[in-house]
Amino acid sequence: KNEVEQSPQNLTAQEGEFITINCSYSVGISALHWLQQHPGGGIVSLFMLSSGKKKHGRLIATINIQEKHSSLHITASHPRDSAVYICAVVSGGGADGLTFGKGTHLIIQP
Amino acid sequence: KAGVTQTPRYLIKTRGQQVTLSCSPISGHRSVSWYQQTPGQGLQFLFEYFSETQRNKGNFPGRFSGRQFSNSRSEMNVSTLELGDSALYLCASSLDRFNNSPLHFGNGTRLTVT
Repeated sequence: KNEVEQSPQNLTAQEGEFITINCSYSVGISALHWLQQHPGGGIVSLFMLSSGKKKHGRLIATINIQEKHSSLHITASHPRDSAVYICAVVSGGGADGLTFGKGTHLIIQP
Repeated sequence: KAGVTQTPRYLIKTRGQQVTLSCSPISGHRSVSWYQQTPGQGLQFLFEYFSETQRNKGNFPGRFSGRQFSNSRSEMNVSTLELGDSALYLCASSLDRFNNSPLHFGNGTRLTVT
């Protein structure tokens, strides 16, 4: 069973700061998803990674398969980035389903 | 393009009853997966359906079941409801299986069991 750890659990930062959220897992994976959940429940997929790095706007996601670690970076953070960020890993080629981290609660203050 | 639609949005049921939740995926998406979200346990994977076949299942009792129809729409059923089944139930659709495609989530069905 894959264990997924996210850090930090909570993060409060000032607008404009560079944000890093980390995700580590215990067993090799075939893919990793970064998700964003705003208050009210809606979940949006930010990235799906199996190797390397992806960038979308101010968001960057990286994954190191050897170290079993992924990071989500937010550049020039803005109050609208305030949300819970969740990583989820796909193990066993999908046969084991998705395992979620507990999420990082991010607040960006103006 | 219409997003993922879940119905109903809210449900109140009594212990011992059963419930059926519905999920209509984005047109062309072949995979539908289901999740339970609670404040204590966070997000947990229930099951994934692809091409009308259940491909995997999370660590939930047999009271939780589902199916997928030929048009990719999916239903989830929970029988003999327990108080602990109160949760937000989310479905997500993807073009391919979730180790190959991004997930698109619906807004969820909030189930309250009394």
